[in-house]
Amino acid sequence: AQKITQTQPGMFVQEKEAVTLDCTYDTSDPSYGLFWYKQPSSGEMIFLIYQGSYDQQNATEGRYSLNFQKARKSANLVISASQLGDSAMYFCAMREGQNFNKFYFGSGTKLNVKP
Amino acid sequence: EAGVVQSPRYKIIEKKQPVAFWCNPISGHNTLYWYLQNLGQGPELLIRYENEEAVDDSQLPKDRFSAERLKGVDSTLKIQPAELGDSAVYLCASKKAVEDTEAFFGQGTRLTVV
Repeated sequence: AQKITQTQPGMFVQEKEAVTLDCTYDTSDPSYGLFWYKQPSSGEMIFLIYQGSYDQQNATEGRYSLNFQKARKSANLVISASQLGDSAMYFCAMREGQNFNKFYFGSGTKLNVKP
Repeated sequence: EAGVVQSPRYKIIEKKQPVAFWCNPISGHNTLYWYLQNLGQGPELLIRYENEEAVDDSQLPKDRFSAERLKGVDSTLKIQPAELGDSAVYLCASKKAVEDTEAFFGQGTRLTVV
């Protein structure tokens, strides 16, 4: 089974609108962490936001928020007030295992922000 | 503070030739990762180092791939001989410690095998 599933290969959003990028995960570990990374065309992976499995509140970082639904095993990324510079690939990732030594990425979602 | 530095950014080689990639992590970062990213896919872990020790190399194809981090600082990933299917981006990332949340990535080396 896939550890991380991102079902949206590509998404379009109008500038200044909000967009939700979907992510579901699969783990039997009680302790795990969920991440979102942005990968612009330059190639580097830029850390956006982190949610621990025991965190009670949804993580927020500026215009990014993580909609964590533990029972559904989903960790969707919400970007509010989209900007043209948000156009990039977005990857959901999970770490699990002893000492968090296992790290898995999804296949990514290509976000295009339209002016 | 300098980020994770990788070189070269791009490399084109003929199949069956050897190739090496270099990574210099952020100063003080003990954990170093090498990832393989095929086109249109997410990164896949090849090897993880804690200081100079390779603590997870289960995904590294050891018949042709090797890696080293002799002094626990910079690292080299080698492929010998390269195959057409090795064409991909090779990403390096580092963290201060394995339990830290955020890993910092370099810009990657894009390898094309012809």
